[in-house]
Amino acid sequence: KQEVTQIPAALSVPEGENLVLNCSFTDSAIYNLQWFRQDPGKGLTSLLLIQSSQREQTSGRLNASLDKSSGRSTLYIAASQPGDSATYLCAVREWDAGKSTFGDGTTLTVKP
Amino acid sequence: DAGVIQSPRHEVTEMGQEVTLRCKPISGHNSLFWYRQTMMRGLELLIYFNNNVPIDDSGMPEDRFSAKMPNASFSTLKIQPSEPRDSAVYFCASSAPGLRETQYFGPGTRLLVL
Repeated sequence: KQEVTQIPAALSVPEGENLVLNCSFTDSAIYNLQWFRQDPGKGLTSLLLIQSSQREQTSGRLNASLDKSSGRSTLYIAASQPGDSATYLCAVREWDAGKSTFGDGTTLTVKP
Repeated sequence: DAGVIQSPRHEVTEMGQEVTLRCKPISGHNSLFWYRQTMMRGLELLIYFNNNVPIDDSGMPEDRFSAKMPNASFSTLKIQPSEPRDSAVYFCASSAPGLRETQYFGPGTRLLVL
């Protein structure tokens, strides 16, 4: 059974800092990995999706990497802003079905 | 594009009552997912449809839960009878066929069972 872990559970940084969020998974036979953002009381918004054959994806100040062999993905946020404050979740999608397993998320607070 | 539409946005009901949650996926998407989110258990996949056919319902907690997708533009998740432990936020998500298969989430239905 796939297990997805996100560390740390919470992170507080001053505005302008670069930061890294971590996601680890136990079964490397994945189809893709997706990073989401969730604001309080809201749904999930897709940030980046990395296919199993890819190593990284970039969108603006965000960069996500994938290392299947070690079962790890990182989300790098450059020059953090207070508007980046949210919970970030990673989800791993399996090959044999459309099923995705989510981590519990990292709650990020960026202080002005 | 209106995105994934869910209704109602909030539902308060009493234990034992039937609850029906509704979802309209993004037009052209052929996969639909129902998730439940709680503080204790995080985000859990309940059931997944592909081309209106249920593919994986292993996450459905028990027989009180049922889901249908009568056509490509509508799905329901029903709880009968509801219990206080069913209180959670229920999300519907859809994805398109193709390589990227990004999941797009609806705003969720916040359910409180008293």
